[in-house]
Formats: sequence, structure tokens, C-alpha cells
Amino acid sequence: NAGVTQTPKFQVLKTGQSMTLQCAQDMNHEYMSWYRQDPGMGLRLIHYSVGAGITDQGEVPNGYNVSRSTTEDFPLRLLSAAPSQTSVYFCASSYGTGAHTGELFFGEGSRLTVL
Amino acid sequence: RKEVEQDPGPFNVPEGATVAFNCTYSNSASQSFFWYRQDCRKEPKLLMSVYSSGNEDGRFTAQLNRASQYISLLIRDSKLSDSATYLCVVNIELGRDDKIIFGKGTRLHILP
Repeated sequence: NAGVTQTPKFQVLKTGQSMTLQCAQDMNHEYMSWYRQDPGMGLRLIHYSVGAGITDQGEVPNGYNVSRSTTEDFPLRLLSAAPSQTSVYFCASSYGTGAHTGELFFGEGSRLTVL
Repeated sequence: RKEVEQDPGPFNVPEGATVAFNCTYSNSASQSFFWYRQDCRKEPKLLMSVYSSGNEDGRFTAQLNRASQYISLLIRDSKLSDSATYLCVVNIELGRDDKIIFGKGTRLHILP
């Protein structure tokens, strides 16, 4: 059982480049989300999805796009990378939504550096 | 007032000692509470949920005080392997979507 799989684990971009962070889960979880973690800032929610075809903005959505075409996959797109997007990105999923979100399962993280 | 606040630490505690730290939350509509553990350069993992009646899992005890709006984590007989950052998580149920709020974490160093 792989759980939540994120790729790539490390990435260096130049300002203005685009890229997609991949996230896949094999637990049939409805809820998926993307966080970024910066020193002194804790985990901040970027976007989330409560099911296939549904996405919503979190606390810091600017500069990021997401889609949820399947239950398993929730990619995060950076359309034009900026140095402020240098961070560690975590994808997380949970079996329920609303009152039943419960435990979040995290991927191992993706370390992104934007030069 | 921040939605979820934790003392960032670090707490430097000798092995075998007992250590406790709190987390305060500001939204009285908060419904679910959790402690996550995050090792250096790793992903957060659930340590334990926090129930209204308090709960214990081995050396770990979690308690909730709704009146004063805080949760606590107590670690007894601390081990070197307990060194980590402990994240307080509060879940506010808002109908279709929960609002899941992470604290910034408390760093714990267990000293040999």
C-alpha cells in the first residue's frame, strides 16, 4: 500500500518557469490537499478538493492551480514560478470530508527552489 | 489572536523526564483536535487524536479543555526518539468543508 506519493522530491526552477507537482493516493480518499511549509510559518493550505471534479482555494492559492479529474490524482501547477514559491510542498489526503475529515495522510514532500 | 498557537520551543528535556506542552485555539466552533509529529525533513504523521474525555496512548496523554480553549500533550519517560516537532491541529466543521488549521509546532529535543 503506497499511501500518498509525491513527485518529484526535489526540483530547482528558474523564475518564470512552469512545472507540475504530482500527487497520487491509492486509499480511495475523497479529500486531497496541498500545503506549503516555510520556516516560521508552519503548514499553509494552498488548495484542496473534496472529491473528483471539485477544487477550492485555501489560505495561499495565488500562483498555483489544481485540478481533480480522478479520485486518485491531485496535481499542483505552478504557472510562472517566483522565488517566493521556494518551499517544501506536501500533499495530504483523508478518507472523509466535512465532519469526517479525520486523519490526514501526507506524502513525503517536494522541495522546490526557485532561482 | 492567532487561530492556533503553540510555544515554538525548543524544549530541551533530559531523557526519562516528563514534558508537557499546550496549544491554544481561538475558534470556539472547533470540533476535532489532533497532535501530529514531524521529524526533521519528513512529513507530518498523526500522533493521536484528542478526545473530550482525554486519552492516553502508552507514554503519551492528550487532553482537551474546551472552557479555556486549549489542548495539551504530555510525554512521560521521554526517549531520544521523541525528539521531533509536535504540531497541534484543530478541525473546524463548516458543513461541506472542514477548516483544518495547523499550529506552527513545538520543537522538542530529548537530551541523553
